Amino acid sequence: AQSVTQPDIHITVSEGASLELRCNYSYGATPYLFWYVQSPGQGLQLLLKYFSGDTLVQGIKGFEAEFKRSQSSFNLRKPSVHWSDAAEYFCAVVLTGGGNKLTFGTGTQLKVEL
Amino acid sequence: DAGITQSPRHKVTETGTPVTLRCHQTENHRYMYWYRQDPGHGLRLIHYSYGVKDTDKGEVSDGYSVSRSKTEDFLLTLESATSSQTSVYFCAIRGQGLNYGYTFGSGTRLTVV
Repeated sequence: AQSVTQPDIHITVSEGASLELRCNYSYGATPYLFWYVQSPGQGLQLLLKYFSGDTLVQGIKGFEAEFKRSQSSFNLRKPSVHWSDAAEYFCAVVLTGGGNKLTFGTGTQLKVEL
Repeated sequence: DAGITQSPRHKVTETGTPVTLRCHQTENHRYMYWYRQDPGHGLRLIHYSYGVKDTDKGEVSDGYSVSRSKTEDFLLTLESATSSQTSVYFCAIRGQGLNYGYTFGSGTRLTVV
């Protein structure tokens, strides 16, 4: 079955430290890939997306993600975390065709220590 | 987000009562989706629509029905609400071509007591 895995339920980092959130998918073909962020009580905001081409994608708020086909991964990174980055992060994938249904991972809750 | 609104934002209802949530878009997008969000599960697809009167089931469709009588509105109905349907419900629309991507509404927090 097609699935998206975010292995880390919770991550705590110090402000100013680097961040990497992991995402793995199991699909036969390369899907479209997304990262969303959700602050408490809010909706989902798109950070970045990957369809094809350059495997390093730049997004908003200083985030970037790298697609690695050999590892079926699309990890999210930020060089220096700010306290305002504390939120829940969701990786999502869609296999084109059949309704283009966006499938989400279970999310990673990021806590930032001052 | 601009172009998609959900109503109501909050609702408390009793077990066994019918409930309808509304998603309205002004983008004229063909595809619309309903998700529910629960702790530890992320967002799970309930139903989606690929055009007026064209809908299909997602992974957690039991107990839910949808309707789309016009492009701009996608309704989600809980025929007889149960406590397990207490959740936050999100609607999404999908652009096409150069505008491919998913935009989410602000969500509806539904509590079934």
